[in-house]
Amino acid sequence: EPEVTQTPSHQVTQMGQEVILRCVPISNHLYFYWYRQILGQKVEFLVSFYNNEISEKSEIFDDQFSVERPDGSNFTLKIRSTKLEDSAMYFCASSDGLAGSWNEQFFGPGTRLTVL
Amino acid sequence: AQSVTQPDIHITVSEGASLELRCNYSYGATPYLFWYVQSPGQGLQLLLKYFSGDTLVQGIKGFEAEFKRSQSSFNLRKPSVHWSDAAEYFCAVALNKLVFGAGTILRVKS
Repeated sequence: EPEVTQTPSHQVTQMGQEVILRCVPISNHLYFYWYRQILGQKVEFLVSFYNNEISEKSEIFDDQFSVERPDGSNFTLKIRSTKLEDSAMYFCASSDGLAGSWNEQFFGPGTRLTVL
Repeated sequence: AQSVTQPDIHITVSEGASLELRCNYSYGATPYLFWYVQSPGQGLQLLLKYFSGDTLVQGIKGFEAEFKRSQSSFNLRKPSVHWSDAAEYFCAVALNKLVFGAGTILRVKS
């Protein structure tokens, strides 16, 4: 069964460093998403991406964040200068249609980011 | 603003007992509603979803949920809980993106 994969599973970084979180969505999907879950809190939407551009972003997704689909398979989230409060589990998801329709989003296992 | 409320942070049930996890949403129209489950160290797995039609929807692992428009609720139920059901459960509303509730942690005691 196809699945969304994410690497690394755990990333530890120093405050101020850049990190890139990687995701491989399901191959025939067209819509890609990043969510994050700070420990003990709810899962929050960060950004959606379609046709090589951002469709929607939350207020969390400020200038420190960027997303890219550098090739036909990967979807990355970059945090330019990490802050302590960026420590969270980051989930990638993909779907073959918009979440506002009937299409299911498939989630990856997540990358736990720890900023020291 | 659209929101999803899961009023129970933790629930503990005995194995074999029935389960109901509550979810209320705030939205101007009937949204697309989902329940996801997250086991420790795992991603989010879809249990079931509601779009329209029959207000009682069946999902995987023996779960079902009932949409009640008058109560703006979409409660998740299971008639007999198994120890493997211990996990965190999230209700979500789809509005071009998923808006999640805070989650309910289910503990199962033997």
